[in-house]
Amino acid sequence: DAGVIQSPRHEVTEMGQEVTLRCKPISGHDYLFWYRQTMMRGLELLIYFNNNVPIDDSGMPEDRFSAKMPNASFSTLKIQPSEPRDSAVYFCASSLAWTGGGYGYTFGSGTRLTVV
Amino acid sequence: AQSVTQLDSHVSVSEGTPVLLRCNYSSSYSPSLFWYVQHPNKGLQLLLKYTSAATLVKGINGFEAEFKKSETSFHLTKPSAHMSDAAEYFCVVSDQTYKYIFGTGTRLKVLA
Repeated sequence: DAGVIQSPRHEVTEMGQEVTLRCKPISGHDYLFWYRQTMMRGLELLIYFNNNVPIDDSGMPEDRFSAKMPNASFSTLKIQPSEPRDSAVYFCASSLAWTGGGYGYTFGSGTRLTVV
Repeated sequence: AQSVTQLDSHVSVSEGTPVLLRCNYSSSYSPSLFWYVQHPNKGLQLLLKYTSAATLVKGINGFEAEFKKSETSFHLTKPSAHMSDAAEYFCVVSDQTYKYIFGTGTRLKVLA
């Protein structure tokens, strides 16, 4: 398996533009997570899905952020309109269902977003 | 409520000497605990995990961690540091809801 695949690796956009980040989880994993990492706030959970259904989006900072998972192999995180304070590294992670063993997450390589 | 505290934001060791990265946790449930490593400009890689089996957990690259319930600790150790170990390390606690609570990270510097 190629692991969790995120695209693009780097994104530079102007303030006010729409940004879409993409994630392909590991095949067979039924949990998908979106995290944001900044120097000031560390790693923050934005939203997570179980079997393509959003379970907890309490970490989504504002209505400008939205996430979808139309099928088991694809998820998007969209920011519209983008602002300079959205600049961060966005990670996607996936995981198998909890069986009492705690498999842990597998993270993608991240998307470094810069909003100018 | 769960929480995790990494007691040192920066640790410096000489190559070939032991590494100790400290982590304390708080959890209302029997927790699962993890250590992740992040090399510069890379994603997070799972080093090891504790999930209520053996209290001494061995991970990749010679790292291990010991779960001590009485001390609510899960410290990460390695007998001999290598230059390639220089990275940021995150301690993570998880309960029954799949949500990870990340520590603030410890940046490990290895001196030649």
